Amino acid sequence: DAGVIQSPRHEVTEMGQEVTLRCKPISGHNSLFWYRQTMMRGLELLIYFNNNVPIDDSGMPEDRFSAKMPNASFSTLKIQPSEPRDSAVYFCASSLGDRGTGSTDTQYFGPGTRLTVL
Amino acid sequence: AQSVTQLDSHVSVSEGTPVLLRCNYSSSYSPSLFWYVQHPNKGLQLLLKYTSAATLVKGINGFEAEFKKSETSFHLTKPSAHMSDAAEYFCVVTRASGSARQLTFGSGTQLTVLP
Repeated sequence: DAGVIQSPRHEVTEMGQEVTLRCKPISGHNSLFWYRQTMMRGLELLIYFNNNVPIDDSGMPEDRFSAKMPNASFSTLKIQPSEPRDSAVYFCASSLGDRGTGSTDTQYFGPGTRLTVL
Repeated sequence: AQSVTQLDSHVSVSEGTPVLLRCNYSSSYSPSLFWYVQHPNKGLQLLLKYTSAATLVKGINGFEAEFKKSETSFHLTKPSAHMSDAAEYFCVVTRASGSARQLTFGSGTQLTVLP
């Protein structure tokens, strides 16, 4: 299995531009998670989906952030407009849970997208 | 409510010597605990997890951790460090029957292995 795939691996953009991060979860997994990692705040859960449906988006910092999962094999995280404080590494993870988004399900992380907003 | 504290932000050991990464937690509920490892420019990978079964949990790459309820600890150990163990390690606590929102990640411990 190729694991969780994220693209791009690196993104440099200017303030005000739209940024779209992409994720392909492991085939057969039914839950997908978006995280943000910064030195100051560590690893934060932004949003997660179960069976393509958003379950909890309470971690999304503000309306500039949106996430979609149009099908079981693809998800996007969009920032519009981007700001310098959005600079971080964004991780996508997926899991296979027999109880949906159970807290003890093993999550498999992608390699991350390093976003720099100038 | 729950929290997790990784007591050392950096640990340095020599190759072939034991590794000890310390983690303390607090939880109002029956906790489940994990250790994840993150190698440079990679995503997090599960090392091991405790979910109310055996208190001594064995993971991948020779790591193990012991759940000690009386000490509210879940320290990660390995008898002999290898150069490839150099990475950042995260202790994670969650409610055993909760949702993914209830995962709380520690701030991480950077492990350096000296030749």
